[in-house]
Amino acid sequence: EPEVTQTPSHQVTQMGQEVILRCVPISNHLYFYWYRQILGQKVEFLVSFYNNEISEKSEIFDDQFSVERPDGSNFTLKIRSTKLEDSAMYFCASRPGGVLNTEAFFGQGTRLTVV
Amino acid sequence: KQEVTQIPAALSVPEGENLVLNCSFTDSAIYNLQWFRQDPGKGLTSLLLIQSSQREQTSGRLNASLDKSSGRSTLYIAASQPGDSATYLCAVRLLILTGGGNKLTFGTGTQLKVEL
Repeated sequence: EPEVTQTPSHQVTQMGQEVILRCVPISNHLYFYWYRQILGQKVEFLVSFYNNEISEKSEIFDDQFSVERPDGSNFTLKIRSTKLEDSAMYFCASRPGGVLNTEAFFGQGTRLTVV
Repeated sequence: KQEVTQIPAALSVPEGENLVLNCSFTDSAIYNLQWFRQDPGKGLTSLLLIQSSQREQTSGRLNASLDKSSGRSTLYIAASQPGDSATYLCAVRLLILTGGGNKLTFGTGTQLKVEL
């Protein structure tokens, strides 16, 4: 069964460093998302990506964040200068196009720890 | 702004019991609602998608209902098993006519423990 894959599963980084979280969405899906979940809190929307551009972003997704789909299969989230409060589980999701009533499929997540 | 709430926050039941998890949302202009399961430290597994035009959706021992006008959904789990122990999340997708986003707004989750 097709699935969304994320790498790495766990990343530890020093405050101020840049990190890139990688995702391979399900092939032939058209909508791509990043969400995050701080420990003990709700899953929060960060950004959605469609037709090679950001279609929506939350207040969390400031200038320190960027997304890219460099080669038609990978979908990356970059945090330029990490802060302690960026420590969270980051989830990538994708869904098919065509109609709105479609299911979103999530990856297993990348646990980011900023020290 | 859409707010999604789940009650109860935690639930412990003996094996074999039938149970109901509740989800409520403030903006009824939703396109669909999705129930997920999350195991500790793991990703989100989609359980059921219920469209705004539907009243119910079933998958195995799971049944989700939706009452859009009152802003409520329930997830019914029949004959619970220890393997059902996990956190259950509901998430709603608002009806947005422009753009390609259509993000999910998640609830707070219900942590379920099914005991032997």
